[in-house]
Amino acid sequence: RKEVEQDPGPFNVPEGATVAFNCTYSNSASQSFFWYRQDCRKEPKLLMSVYSSGNEDGRFTAQLNRASQYISLLIRDSKLSDSATYLCVVNIKGTYKYIFGTGTRLKVLA
Amino acid sequence: GAVVSQHPSRVICKSGTSVKIECRSLDFQATTMFWYRQFPKQSLMLMATSNEGSKATYEQGVEKDKFLINHASLTLSTLTVTSAHPEDSSFYICSAGPREGLYEQYFGPGTRLTVT
Repeated sequence: RKEVEQDPGPFNVPEGATVAFNCTYSNSASQSFFWYRQDCRKEPKLLMSVYSSGNEDGRFTAQLNRASQYISLLIRDSKLSDSATYLCVVNIKGTYKYIFGTGTRLKVLA
Repeated sequence: GAVVSQHPSRVICKSGTSVKIECRSLDFQATTMFWYRQFPKQSLMLMATSNEGSKATYEQGVEKDKFLINHASLTLSTLTVTSAHPEDSSFYICSAGPREGLYEQYFGPGTRLTVT
């Protein structure tokens, strides 16, 4: 079993749609959680950190469920420019190491 | 802030040669830098963790004699792929962190290595 699992997609959604991605992690020592966005042949860019209480940044909302060990990302009012791969990232307590999920591909269609 | 540069962005080399990739944190001091490799349609795989002034820590399965890492200062880490082979062709990405105690990592733009 992978340490961080994501549905690879692709998720094909029309502009304006709401889409949600889930991510599960297996290491109970995971302490910090992030969503990164990666465009084709580019480096990952931090989209948002995920806090225990949940957090929102514009059209993006992230949730963390420690008991069930999953993280979610909700994108509202999808834009064409949201098309990318979304990487779920977990940091293990006591280290600065990141464990990456395989990513979920999103295609927003006109 | 939190800008990380990588050089070169793209390199093509012949099998058997060595290639050096530089990673720099431009506006902050990074006590730790990380080197990742990403093959097509796969996620980033951590190769090694590099701490300034000490030996790098390599992940299981990564040959330390093949992938030489030097973290000479708080703003520069280098990865040298020695005796490169076609199977080493990949996208190599570095990241730097932490910054001011945060666990967020900041990624360089990556280096696409093609070994012919």
